[in-house]
Amino acid sequence: AQSVTQLDSQVPVFEEAPVELRCNYSSSVSVYLFWYVQYPNQGLQLLLKYLSGSTLVKGINGFEAEFNKSQTSFHLRKPSVHISDTAEYFCAVSAYGGATNKLIFGTGTLLAVQP
Amino acid sequence: SQTIHQWPATLVQPVGSPLSLECTVEGTSNPNLYWYRQAAGRGLQLLFYSVGIGQISSEVPQNLSASRPQDRQFILSSKKLLLSDSGFYLCAWRRPALAGGPLKPILFYEQYFGPGTRLTVT
Repeated sequence: AQSVTQLDSQVPVFEEAPVELRCNYSSSVSVYLFWYVQYPNQGLQLLLKYLSGSTLVKGINGFEAEFNKSQTSFHLRKPSVHISDTAEYFCAVSAYGGATNKLIFGTGTLLAVQP
Repeated sequence: SQTIHQWPATLVQPVGSPLSLECTVEGTSNPNLYWYRQAAGRGLQLLFYSVGIGQISSEVPQNLSASRPQDRQFILSSKKLLLSDSGFYLCAWRRPALAGGPLKPILFYEQYFGPGTRLTVT
């Protein structure tokens, strides 16, 4: 079974400052890793994903994440945030293969960008 | 292109009343479909998934049920709502995708989410 931990429930940051949202996972098998973003009262939108290969993956809106197998982490970063980045961010894992392809989500981190 | 719809967008229902939320997907056939619930501060919880018409798997035993009467329709129901059923309900479908190169292709699945239904039980 897989699990995901997002230790920070809320991250306040000033506009144009860098930000890192932390994600750690646990799994006995190889996994795919995802970050989703949810704007208020909307569904989830895929930001980026790690499947294999380069451990640094780039996504939409200037976000990137780095997969660290030894630390079982997949932290999300952005060098300079905007007010419009204010949203909830979810880390998720999915085991390789499987007919159901269940996504296991973390509890989310609210990124609050202040002017 | 594929789109996913959820109906209604918001709903306020009294305790003990029935519930029916609808999810439909366009532009694809035989999708895997998922119902999630998002409660405040608790992330997303997978409630049900379906791999085909009439095939429903429940992840969490509770007051809710799901049905798939048609290939691209997924319905979430309850006979009697509880206060604890309040939350944001999301429907999703998955799409297969290929990554990597021709020598080592990677088959994976992306999940796409609908706009959600905000349910408040009073």
